[in-house]
Amino acid sequence: QKEVEQDPGPLSVPEGAIVSLNCTYSNSAFQYFMWYRQYSRKGPELLMYTYSSGNKEDGRFTAQVDKSSKYISLFIRDSQPSDSATYLCAMTLTGTASKLTFGTGTRLQVTL
Amino acid sequence: GAVVSQHPSWVICKSGTSVKIECRSLDFQATTMFWYRQFPKQSLMLMATSNEGSKATYEQGVEKDKFLINHASLTLSTLTVTSAHPEDSSFYICSARDRGHTGELFFGEGSRLTVL
Repeated sequence: QKEVEQDPGPLSVPEGAIVSLNCTYSNSAFQYFMWYRQYSRKGPELLMYTYSSGNKEDGRFTAQVDKSSKYISLFIRDSQPSDSATYLCAMTLTGTASKLTFGTGTRLQVTL
Repeated sequence: GAVVSQHPSWVICKSGTSVKIECRSLDFQATTMFWYRQFPKQSLMLMATSNEGSKATYEQGVEKDKFLINHASLTLSTLTVTSAHPEDSSFYICSARDRGHTGELFFGEGSRLTVL
């Protein structure tokens, strides 16, 4: 069993839709949870991070963590074609700049 | 935000040759850099953790004699793929930790290696 499971997609939605991206994990010791966006042939860029259960909002993005269920989500409101990318969840045992364990990434396509 | 530069962004080489990839933190000092490998449609897999002035720590299953890592300064780490073979073809990505107050992690743009 992988430590972090993520549906690879691809996920195709129309512009303006609400997108839900999810990851589950098996190691209850993970403390920090991050979402990265990766455009084709580019390195990942950090979108959001959180370390507690609950919701964290940043503009059109909301990160949700449920440690009891070992489940994290990223919601994108009013999705735009520019949101088309691969979204990777990542988590660490200690701190956002430590060794990251990534999910496989979900490829998102937002169509006009 | 801080910038991490990788060079070359893509490289094609013959089987048996060695290839060096550079990772530079352009506007911050990085005591720790991480090297990842990403195969098509797969996630980033950590290869090794590189600390300035000391030997790199390799993840299980990564051959340290094949993937040589040097972190000689606070702004530069290099990954050398020695005697490359077609199965080494991959996207190699580095990340660097800002040793300043943020301690944030920044990723490079990646280097695509194709071994013929």
